[in-house]
Amino acid sequence: GNSVTQMEGPVTLSEEAFLTINCTYTATGYPSLFWYVQYPGEGLQLLLKATKADDKGSNKGFEATYRKETTSFHLEKGSVQVSDSAVYFCALTHPGNQFYFGTGTSLTVIP
Amino acid sequence: DADVTQTPRNRITKTGKRIMLECSQTKGHDRMYWYRQDPGLGLRLIYYSFDVKDINKGEISDGYSVSRQAQAKFSLSLESAIPNQTALYFCATSDPTGTGETQYFGPGTRLLVL
Repeated sequence: GNSVTQMEGPVTLSEEAFLTINCTYTATGYPSLFWYVQYPGEGLQLLLKATKADDKGSNKGFEATYRKETTSFHLEKGSVQVSDSAVYFCALTHPGNQFYFGTGTSLTVIP
Repeated sequence: DADVTQTPRNRITKTGKRIMLECSQTKGHDRMYWYRQDPGLGLRLIYYSFDVKDINKGEISDGYSVSRQAQAKFSLSLESAIPNQTALYFCATSDPTGTGETQYFGPGTRLLVL
């Protein structure tokens, strides 16, 4: 079946620190992979996505590379800001199918 | 205006009551979804609909029902609310055309069942 596993949180970092949030998946074929972000009191919004192996999604300084060989899609940012404090969800889907979300990783960035 | 709206945003109800959560979208998408979010469990799919005549159960549909009144409207009902249905509920839409189908979420409804 399809599933997504994210690193456990919460994660607390100082401003300007390097961020990595691990995500691995189980799926048949070649799913599309996503990172969504949920800011306090809001719904989820798309952060970035990748639709095929070796693609790199990027947005707002965040990056993630679709690694078929390791079934991973780790989220990285070189220098986090206080405004990046949020919950981050990794997700996958196959075209025409439902989405599968990880459990979310809470990030707090302190000044 | 928001593309996906949910009403109410907050609701307190008592055990045994029937309640309805509503979702409307202006994105013109055929596909709509209801999720619940619980701490440590992420998002779990309750029901989804790929068009007006299509309704499918998700991972945790027991105790819930839905109605797809129009392309733009998808309602979730709790027939007889119980305390473990206390959660944050999200509606979402998606468009399967193009590459990398993306889901668009509403702001959520926070439900407390006493």
